[in-house]
Amino acid sequence: DAKTTQPPSMDCAEGRAANLPCNHSTISGNEYVYWYRQIHSQGPQYIIHGLKNNETNEMASLIITEDRKSSTLILPHATLRDTAVYYCIVRPSSLISWGKLQFGAGTQVVVTP
Amino acid sequence: DAGVIQSPRHEVTEMGQEVTLRCKPISGHNSLFWYRQTMMRGLELLIYFNNNVPIDDSGMPEDRFSAKMPNASFSTLKIQPSEPRDSAVYFCASSQGVDRGVTEQYFGPGTRLTVT
Repeated sequence: DAKTTQPPSMDCAEGRAANLPCNHSTISGNEYVYWYRQIHSQGPQYIIHGLKNNETNEMASLIITEDRKSSTLILPHATLRDTAVYYCIVRPSSLISWGKLQFGAGTQVVVTP
Repeated sequence: DAGVIQSPRHEVTEMGQEVTLRCKPISGHNSLFWYRQTMMRGLELLIYFNNNVPIDDSGMPEDRFSAKMPNASFSTLKIQPSEPRDSAVYFCASSQGVDRGVTEQYFGPGTRLTVT
């Protein structure tokens, strides 16, 4: 299964866009990129996922490079409530492993006033 | 939508005692997951079910751990006997359908287990 690399931490000013990078250079052609976040003392929360094309929903945008070796999660207007650990996950492609989301250390994002 | 419900929210027990954690998935979801989170090991998948059948239990640490899903609306994770190293936050999550390629998982609030 493809592994991901994320910076351990980053700060972002409230109201600004937060750009969270993720490297997944060993990703295979049929593996999806998923993003979750975990606010302190809560369960993880699904944000967005994608395969090849860029994706956008009400929470964030996901930009995947053409070679699919890296991606960026964009929080367009960060708020204090976006302070959390953000996990970039590559979802295994086999049917038996579809449910296995392997959470790494993630990126601790702190949004400051 | 009530979300994933877990009980108890906090459990403190003595070493050697049996502990049972409970989970009610979101109605209509047919995949259920049990995770454990510690500072040392992060968030680990223990076991997951699809249509009440265990699909992968390779993350279950040892025979002291067991999980059941007797019906689509209830699952338990049991530890017998419990040990101090089992202290962690245990999360339950559900998904609409791994077999349909839907893997957005919705997590419960977790059960904080402390074994003394």
